[in-house]
Amino acid sequence: AQSVTQLGSHVSVSEGALVLLRCNYSSSVPPYLFWYVQYPNQGLQLLLKYTSAATLVKGINGFEAEFKKSETSFHLTKPSAHMSDAAEYFCAVSGGATNKLIFGTGTLLAVQP
Amino acid sequence: DAGVIQSPRHEVTEMGQEVTLRCKPISGHDYLFWYRQTMMRGLELLIYFNNNVPIDDSGMPEDRFSAKMPNASFSTLKIQPSEPRDSAVYFCASSTDPGRRETQYFGPGTRLLVL
Repeated sequence: AQSVTQLGSHVSVSEGALVLLRCNYSSSVPPYLFWYVQYPNQGLQLLLKYTSAATLVKGINGFEAEFKKSETSFHLTKPSAHMSDAAEYFCAVSGGATNKLIFGTGTLLAVQP
Repeated sequence: DAGVIQSPRHEVTEMGQEVTLRCKPISGHDYLFWYRQTMMRGLELLIYFNNNVPIDDSGMPEDRFSAKMPNASFSTLKIQPSEPRDSAVYFCASSTDPGRRETQYFGPGTRLLVL
């Protein structure tokens, strides 16, 4: 079975500081990995995805993530946080026989002025 | 494209009443997904369709929940009778792929409150 674990349900950073949101996955098959963002009272939208091409994936709004097979990780980073980055971030995995997208429990990012 | 459209955006009902949530996927998307989001359980996949046919409904919590997709541009999720524990945000998403590689596009959600 596939799963993802997001470490830290709440992360707070100062504006301009590095953003690091952690995601570890478990998968018996080569995974496809996704980061989605959810702004208040909105649906989820894709930030970036890894589909077995380059291990460093660049997404929208200056975010990027690196697939590390040896560490089974897909952490999300952004060099400099902006107030508009405050949202909930979900890591997700797919690729198994079930054809489903399995979401983590989410990390709520707060950005302090 | 208008994206995935869901209606209503908010629904308040009393326990025992029937609730119908509606979704219009993005044109050309063969897959449609229904999710439920709560604080306690996070984001759960309830059911998904491929070409209007239900493929996996293992996430549907109980017989009170049913979903249909009569055509490629419309799906409903029905709860009958509704209970307070059904209060949640229900999302519809669509994709050209079951989720292996391609993006799922989410609607804005229906916020359901059952009193």
